[in-house]
Amino acid sequence: DAGVTQSPTHLIKTRGQQVTLRCSPKSGHDTVSWYQQALGQGPQFIFQYYEEEERQRGNFPDRFSGHQFPNYSSELNVNALLLGDSALYLCASTQGSGDSGANVLTFGAGSRLTVL
Amino acid sequence: QQQVKQSPQSLIVQKGGISIINCAYENTAFDYFPWYQQFPGKGPALLIAIRPDVSEKKEGRFTISFNKSAKQFSLHIMDSQPGDSATYFCAARKTGFQKLVFGTGTRLLVSP
Repeated sequence: DAGVTQSPTHLIKTRGQQVTLRCSPKSGHDTVSWYQQALGQGPQFIFQYYEEEERQRGNFPDRFSGHQFPNYSSELNVNALLLGDSALYLCASTQGSGDSGANVLTFGAGSRLTVL
Repeated sequence: QQQVKQSPQSLIVQKGGISIINCAYENTAFDYFPWYQQFPGKGPALLIAIRPDVSEKKEGRFTISFNKSAKQFSLHIMDSQPGDSATYFCAARKTGFQKLVFGTGTRLLVSP
């Protein structure tokens, strides 16, 4: 049973460019959350998608946007990249948007973005 | 604003010893406190979790101690093994929200 899969695993962009990261949730999961993990820091919540809608959002600017598709996969888009956007971007999936689902979050290995 | 403070930043323990990692939180609305283990190149994986209605939870060699009045909780790893060498994150969550607030992490090295 495949867990959460993310692509690409590594990518390099330059300031001002745009990037799209992709996530396929674990089989049976319908809720996807995205986290940003800067080097040496804990993950920070970006947003959560359920039923193709953004349900919760962390303290991130509008340059960060997302999408969820009918098959529950998700994309994270970041526009006008800044050097400070360099980080590991983690996708986490679960079943449902409630408390029981929150207790069994499964994380992917992440996409490491470097902005030059 | 750092809502969950974690210490130490790094920790070296001899094989067979006890590893202790501490966390403190500010928001009294938090009611679920998980610990995650992360190996290099991997995403965080849930290790053990506790709710504030109990003061201790044990799963194998891993124990969470929780002090609600002090707003502190800690992870104890008994009989630490080299395979436990990883980065450990404490986290917290409010009821009704799936958002996890993570600590800054503790890099644990268990020497053979």
